[in-house]
Amino acid sequence: DGGITQSPKYLFRKEGQNVTLSCEQNLNHDAMYWYRQDPGQGLRLIYYSQIVNDFQKGDIAEGYSVSREKKESFPLTVTSAQKNPTAFYLCASTARTVRNEAFFGQGTRLTVV
Amino acid sequence: EDKVVQSPLSLVVHEGDTVTLNCSYEVTNFRSLLWYKQEKKAPTFLFMLTSSGIEKKSGRLSSILDKKELFSILNITATQTGDSAVYLCAGTFLTGGGNKLTFGTGTQLKVEL
Repeated sequence: DGGITQSPKYLFRKEGQNVTLSCEQNLNHDAMYWYRQDPGQGLRLIYYSQIVNDFQKGDIAEGYSVSREKKESFPLTVTSAQKNPTAFYLCASTARTVRNEAFFGQGTRLTVV
Repeated sequence: EDKVVQSPLSLVVHEGDTVTLNCSYEVTNFRSLLWYKQEKKAPTFLFMLTSSGIEKKSGRLSSILDKKELFSILNITATQTGDSAVYLCAGTFLTGGGNKLTFGTGTQLKVEL
C-alpha cells in the first residue's frame, strides 16, 4: 500500500542534542512538507521541497534543517539552535499538480528532557 | 501573502446542530483550498476546492469556495459526537519554490450530547 511513513512515533531529546526525524513516501509524489503543531494550534510550515536536491524555508525554519537527496525521503533535523523543540511534527506529500490532496504521515512527537 | 485565517477558533454545539466553519485566504498566488479533519494524529482529507461557487458534498459535510470574496465555508449538518475534532483549512500558493501548502490555526469543534 502507498503511503507516508514517519519514524519514530515518539522521540526524546536532551538539551543541546540534534535529532533527525524520518519521513519516507512511496506515492511517487514530487512535493514534501514538514509541519510543526503545538497544542491547540494549527500546522506551521517548517520546510518544503518540490524536487530532489531543492528545498525552501517555510514560516518557522530557524533551528531546523532538511535534505532531499531522494524523491522518497525528506528527513528533518531539529538542531540545538531550536530553543523550544517540544512539539508534534507532521510530514506531508503531494503530487506536483495542485489538484491533488496532501497525504500525511502519522507524526512524530518530540519531547525535550 | 499565503495567509490562511480560520474562525471561530473553537466551537461547542449540541448533537443535531448545524455548524459553519470559516476560512479566508490571501489572493496572491492562490491555487486551491483544502479542508482536513484532525482527531488525534494525522489530518484526514475532506475536500479540495479550486472553482468558485461549486459545492462539494460528502454525507453531512459540504464546502464551497468564493474566489471573489476570498473565503470558504465548511458546513456540517446534524452534528454527531464523532464530528468532534480540529478542522483545518489550507491554501496552496504558487511560490518561487513551487507549491506552498499553508494551514490556518484550525477550528476546534466539540459536539456534546
